[in-house]
Amino acid sequence: KQEVTQIPAALSVPEGENLVLNCSFTDSAIYNLQWFRQDPGKGLTSLLLIQSSQREQTSGRLNASLDKSSGRSTLYIAASQPGDSATYLCALLIQGAQKLVFGQGTRLTINP
Amino acid sequence: GAVVSQHPSWVICKSGTSVKIECRSLDFQATTMFWYRQFPKQSLMLMATSNEGSKATYEQGVEKDKFLINHASLTLSTLTVTSAHPEDSSFYICSASPLSGSANEQFFGPGTRLTVL
Repeated sequence: KQEVTQIPAALSVPEGENLVLNCSFTDSAIYNLQWFRQDPGKGLTSLLLIQSSQREQTSGRLNASLDKSSGRSTLYIAASQPGDSATYLCALLIQGAQKLVFGQGTRLTINP
Repeated sequence: GAVVSQHPSWVICKSGTSVKIECRSLDFQATTMFWYRQFPKQSLMLMATSNEGSKATYEQGVEKDKFLINHASLTLSTLTVTSAHPEDSSFYICSASPLSGSANEQFFGPGTRLTVL
């Protein structure tokens, strides 16, 4: 059974810092991996999607990497801003199925 | 593009009543839609996978007679919580996977907050 773990559960940093959020998974048989952002009481916004054959994806200040062999993905946020404060979720699409398995999320707070 | 809407965005109901939540893909067709439930400070848990024109596939531990899913068209899926009880209070989120495209990407709705009194 695929298990997804996100560390840390919560993170608070001052504005302007670069930071890394971690996601680990137990089964490398994945189709793709997505990083989402969720604001309180809201739905999910897709940030980046990495196919299993890819190593990384970039969008603006965000960079996500994928290392299937070690079962890890990282989300790098450069020059953090207060508007980046949210919960960040990673999710894996399991091979052979359409199911997304989510991690518990990292609650990020950027302090002005 | 790839916008998914949900209606209502929030609902309060009395225990024992039924509540219907709609999920629509606004600018694309989706053969498959998914229903998730999220309790406070927890992650999303898949409840069921809904395919247009066929019966939904429920995850283990989800009562299919309590959570009725209908996927009548390529742009609409509905979740009906029957005889709702306070423990059903949660945030319900749907997602849709486009008919076209190769990424197997899911696009999420804004969620529906259900409170059962």
